[in-house]
Amino acid sequence: DAKTTQPNSMESNEEEPVHLPCNHSTISGTDYIHWYRQLPSQGPEYVIHGLTSNVNNRMASLAIAEDRKSSTLILHRATLRDAAVYYCILRRSSNTGKLIFGQGTTLQVKP
Amino acid sequence: NAGVMQNPRHLVRRRGQEARLRCSPMKGHSHVYWYRQLPEEGLKFMVYLQKENIIDESGMPKERFSAEFPKEGPSILRIQQVVRGDSAAYFCASSPLAGIELTDTQYFGPGTRLTVL
Repeated sequence: DAKTTQPNSMESNEEEPVHLPCNHSTISGTDYIHWYRQLPSQGPEYVIHGLTSNVNNRMASLAIAEDRKSSTLILHRATLRDAAVYYCILRRSSNTGKLIFGQGTTLQVKP
Repeated sequence: NAGVMQNPRHLVRRRGQEARLRCSPMKGHSHVYWYRQLPEEGLKFMVYLQKENIIDESGMPKERFSAEFPKEGPSILRIQQVVRGDSAAYFCASSPLAGIELTDTQYFGPGTRLTVL
């Protein structure tokens, strides 16, 4: 299984940017980097994904290191609603589509 | 377009009873995944189904658990003779694309919280 490493927890102030790091040193050339988040008492929701280039969508940005061994999810202005567990997941074809969740990073947002 | 629906949202069973969890995928999605989240633990994959077929059941416990996704109707996760250790949140997710499509997105339901007394 493709392993990712994330800090257990992070804190942010409301309306400030948040950078959530993820290490995936064993990534292979065809692995995609996906991020999901899980708000309290809810199912996970997709945030963003990328392969090599940085990606932006309405929720967040994904910055991928040149060697692809790490990536950073960027929330440009954290809100209280962004408090959640954020999961960095590698998608590879040998996994038949299943998502392999690690412990993720619990983000606390302070008003 | 309604999201992924799961019912019941909460289910209480006594030890030895059967639990049936239902998942209606998003319209047009023919791929369903089931995940389990034990208390204070992360999400674990259980099974991946496509209409009428089990694609990957590598995460399913060997006994008492089964899953199906018939041609018509919701996907069903069935747990026979429940034990206290089965108490968990069970989430299903659906996708319009096959799992080998590495860019696909899985859309999760709100989960069923099973409590075994």
